[in-house]
Amino acid sequence: DQQVKQNSPSLSVQEGRISILNCDYTNSMFDYFLWYKKYPAEGPTFLISISSIKDKNEDGRFTVFLNKSAKHLSLHIVPSQPGDSAVYFCAASYSGSARQLTFGSGTQLTVLP
Amino acid sequence: DTGVSQNPRHKITKRGQNVTFRCDPISEHNRLYWYRQTLGQGPEFLTYFQNEAQLEKSRLLSDRFSAERPKGSFSTLEIQRTEQGDSAMYLCASSLAVLYGYTFGSGTRLTVV
Repeated sequence: DQQVKQNSPSLSVQEGRISILNCDYTNSMFDYFLWYKKYPAEGPTFLISISSIKDKNEDGRFTVFLNKSAKHLSLHIVPSQPGDSAVYFCAASYSGSARQLTFGSGTQLTVLP
Repeated sequence: DTGVSQNPRHKITKRGQNVTFRCDPISEHNRLYWYRQTLGQGPEFLTYFQNEAQLEKSRLLSDRFSAERPKGSFSTLEIQRTEQGDSAMYLCASSLAVLYGYTFGSGTRLTVV
């Protein structure tokens, strides 16, 4: 069973516009959420995270929003740049799990110049 | 220290052979994780070490898989009697604190022919 779902395998956005990547989860025990970015032939790179006690976390061009009641989180990238083109993974963990991460299947973001 | 190092980067092996991968984490990180990623999927948790102790193992880790972390430094992941279904990217990650994103290595891509 997929506890973390990214239902959009791909997303194309024009440079300078907003990119919104979505993620849904089913396990109510998850209390920490992360976004990773992955380029081909490299390991995932940590981007931004949010604890379940917050509903928003911002870091430069990247903002993550968490809606606990809907079990939904989203990553906003503003403005999008061609270098942001990569696969983005949503991941979740809970305190009883030694902080192992459960990943979604990823969304390929393409930012068009 | 330039990050998490994994060797080899690529490994092609014949079905039935044994393979061993190595991971050198960031030196001050006491937590080490192994994940496996197949095409079109996010990474899946395999096992977790805190220092030299292997504290969690996924049910994905069959009897043919064994991992060690002697002296709490580098780690090895061995797969015995490889099968074609073992073909995947094997990712190692390390972290120091619980509530931070890990640092992943670039992975070892295994192809079983």
